[in-house]
Amino acid sequence: EVQLLESGGGLVQPGGSLRLSCAASGFAFRSFGMSWVRQAPGKGLEWVSTISGSGGKTDYADSMKGRFSVSRDNSGDTLSLQMRSLRAEDTAVYYCARDNWGCTKGVCYHYFDYWGQGSLVTVAS
Amino acid sequence: SYVLTQPPSVSVAPGQTATITCGGNNIGDKSVHWYRQKPGQAPVLVVYHDNDRPSGIPERFSGSSSGNTATLTISRVEAGDEADYHCQVWDSNRDRILFGEGTNLTVL
Repeated sequence: EVQLLESGGGLVQPGGSLRLSCAASGFAFRSFGMSWVRQAPGKGLEWVSTISGSGGKTDYADSMKGRFSVSRDNSGDTLSLQMRSLRAEDTAVYYCARDNWGCTKGVCYHYFDYWGQGSLVTVAS
Repeated sequence: SYVLTQPPSVSVAPGQTATITCGGNNIGDKSVHWYRQKPGQAPVLVVYHDNDRPSGIPERFSGSSSGNTATLTISRVEAGDEADYHCQVWDSNRDRILFGEGTNLTVL
């Protein structure tokens, strides 16, 4: 059974830092890209970052570039998100998700077939 | 920049068919995916690649996409289908993953 379990959320002051982790089990972790998706209170889903299975390729949403850093430990089946210079608008539930990506007939795609339960990050003084 | 547009809410009576749309410029040329999210829970994939269903998702859930509109159709709606539904695509022009703002489905 595929399981994703986030940890590390909590209350942090504006300008502070926080590191989220996602422990994966039940599948060949190194064979899949992984992503972070967040959801601010009462809002829709927002993609944060993606990392390839090897860890060699990373992508970020524009508003997170330079502040957030995604990484993975394939020996420990763990995904991480280091967040710096946090702002009030970063307050959200952060989900890790298994990323299925590829290209078929010239159309490329990403979709998320498994999600963690989410970790709440609150940025406030 | 590319934007996905969903209606904020859709209401349907039990047993009827719910139709949730996701609008985007030439979205028919992209691969569209749909997620169901119940209050306080993580999203669940219900349709991928426009019209494929993951194992465990009932055949009542189907999708289509053409032109500027993708559609999630839920047949024989049940009270348990009440949730937020989000569409999602890959914006290849900007190398980013996009979600629609979500549609709240109410079962009357």
